[in-house]
Amino acid sequence: ELKVEQNPLFLSMQEGKNYTIYCNYSTTSDRLYWYRQDPGKSLESLFVLLSNGAVKQEGRLMASLDTKARLSTLHITAAVHDLSATYFCAVSGSRLTFGEGTQLTVNP
Amino acid sequence: EAGVAQSPRYKIIEKRQSVAFWCNPISGHATLYWYQQILGQGPKLLIQFQNNGVVDDSQLPKDRFSAERLKGVDSTLKIQPAKLEDSAVYLCASSPSSGRAYYNEQFFGPGTRLTVL
Repeated sequence: ELKVEQNPLFLSMQEGKNYTIYCNYSTTSDRLYWYRQDPGKSLESLFVLLSNGAVKQEGRLMASLDTKARLSTLHITAAVHDLSATYFCAVSGSRLTFGEGTQLTVNP
Repeated sequence: EAGVAQSPRYKIIEKRQSVAFWCNPISGHATLYWYQQILGQGPKLLIQFQNNGVVDDSQLPKDRFSAERLKGVDSTLKIQPAKLEDSAVYLCASSPSSGRAYYNEQFFGPGTRLTVL
């Protein structure tokens, strides 16, 4: 059974700082997704990573995938308050399996 | 294009009552998913439809949950009877196509927040 683990689960950071969220998964997969969820809202797709070494960037967020290590990272550069949300990685197998989520709070 | 629509947005019921949720996917999307998201957790797949056929319902508690997608478009998810542990957000998602091991990006609706008292 596919297991997806994220860390940290809670992240409080200052504006302007850089941080990385990690997503490990247990079995081989060819697709990994990152989603953002604001409180009381649904999931918004951020990135789809399809191959080993894939890197995608949007604004202050950059996601990468290492299929050999079964690891994806979501790097936050110069954080701003608007990035405060919960971030989920999800890995495709027989079904899409989500991590527990990382609750990110960016403080002024 | 219009996104995934769900209703109602909120529902409060007492345990042992029944409840139904409705989902209208993005036009042209063949695959529809229902997820359960318990507070503080990631979404968990309950059932996946490809057109009007069930692809995966292995995680659906079939003694109390049922779902249908009769015309390959809209879908309903029902809980009967509800338990306290069913309190969660029920998310519907759709994607353009699906094979057994190949998933396109899924687009999520706003969800229905169910509280069971």
